[in-house]
Amino acid sequence: GNSVTQMEGPVTLSEEAFLTINCTYTATGYPSLFWYVQYPGEGLQLLLKATKADDKGSNKGFEATYRKETTSFHLEKGSVQVSDSAVYFCALFDSGAGSYQLTFGKGTKLSVIP
Amino acid sequence: SAVISQKPSRDICQRGTSLTIQCQVDSQVTMMFWYRQQPGQSLTLIATANQGSEATYESGFVIDKFPISRPNLTFSTLTVSNMSPEDSSIYLCSVFVSSYEQYFGPGTRLTVT
Repeated sequence: GNSVTQMEGPVTLSEEAFLTINCTYTATGYPSLFWYVQYPGEGLQLLLKATKADDKGSNKGFEATYRKETTSFHLEKGSVQVSDSAVYFCALFDSGAGSYQLTFGKGTKLSVIP
Repeated sequence: SAVISQKPSRDICQRGTSLTIQCQVDSQVTMMFWYRQQPGQSLTLIATANQGSEATYESGFVIDKFPISRPNLTFSTLTVSNMSPEDSSIYLCSVFVSSYEQYFGPGTRLTVT
């Protein structure tokens, strides 16, 4: 079956530090990959996506590249801000699995301190 | 994209009672989903709700406990029945749109005492 593995949190960084949150996946087909962000007290927001190998998704200074050879989709940002403090979820969608549900990782909580 | 609203945003309920959560979408969508997010955990799919057909429940979730209605292409409800403290969670609805994207509502934070 499909699965997503994220690095364990929480992650605490100082403002302007470089961020990497690792995500690897297992899928039976050719999935689309996503990063969602959940700010405190809110629902999930789609942050970025990539639908095929070597695609790079980007949004709000965040980037992630779909690496088929390493089955990875690591999230990066060059300079984090306090406002980036949130929980980040990596997810995959595999239409070949016959279901339209997303498979989520466990989430990584990021705290950015001034 | 899609804009999704949920009501109520939060509630505190007594055990043994039921709560119905509403999900409204600003455009017509075929596929809607209900997820549960237990405290500090990831999301677990409860069921898929397509208009005009019975909801499809995931393993571990049953219709008697989580009845779902989908009367049209912009609206759905999820009822949490005969609640216990273990049902305390965030319940989120989501919709599937083009380009393999799913969008989520803001969630309903349920506390059962």
